Amino acid sequence: EVQLVESGGGLVQPAGSLRLSCAVSGFTVRNNHMSWVRQAPGKGLEWVSIIYNNGNTYYADSVKGRFTISRDNSRNTLYLQMNSLRPEDTAVYYCVAYGGNSDPWGQGTLVTVSS
Amino acid sequence: QAVVTQEPSLTVSPGGTVTLTCGSSTGAVTSGHYPYWFQQKPGQAPRTLIFDTRDKHPWTPARFSGSLLGGKATLTLSGAQPEDEAEYYCFLSYSGASWVFGGGTKLTVL
Repeated sequence: EVQLVESGGGLVQPAGSLRLSCAVSGFTVRNNHMSWVRQAPGKGLEWVSIIYNNGNTYYADSVKGRFTISRDNSRNTLYLQMNSLRPEDTAVYYCVAYGGNSDPWGQGTLVTVSS
Repeated sequence: QAVVTQEPSLTVSPGGTVTLTCGSSTGAVTSGHYPYWFQQKPGQAPRTLIFDTRDKHPWTPARFSGSLLGGKATLTLSGAQPEDEAEYYCFLSYSGASWVFGGGTKLTVL
């Protein structure tokens, strides 16, 4: 059974940092393309970043240079290191796989950037 | 960055058929954009209905189908049910280096 469990969210001050984790069961992270997607309160979905199974990574312009996506193959876990956080980064963050493992989604983790 | 366009809202009668569309500011949507369709109900995480234009998960209701038509990706709902009332998002790849969501379509079953 596929399961994705996000964690690591919380309240952080502007310019602060957080690291999000996504623990995956039911498939192997290193063999799949994986993304982080976020949703600000009352808003639509926004793609944040992707790591392909070959290790290539890409980012939305809004987070480029501040966020880093990575994975730990031994832990079967996806990460998002978020630095220089801004109030506009406030959102629920979801990890998501692609293709045949693209459902279900996890419940997400809430990041609030506020002083 | 490309802009992905969807109808802001649509209404369908119970048992009726409705088609949601997903366009791209860069031109025609093709299979190379690997279109995805997600359903999100209030207070819930999204669910993936369709991936790679028309592929479904085993649990995707048969009444949902994906295709390409007229330069857009489409999601067709045939035989709408009250539980299909939700927000629907499309999602497109741009040469793999960027993925973009549409703004979402709020579907009302009434």
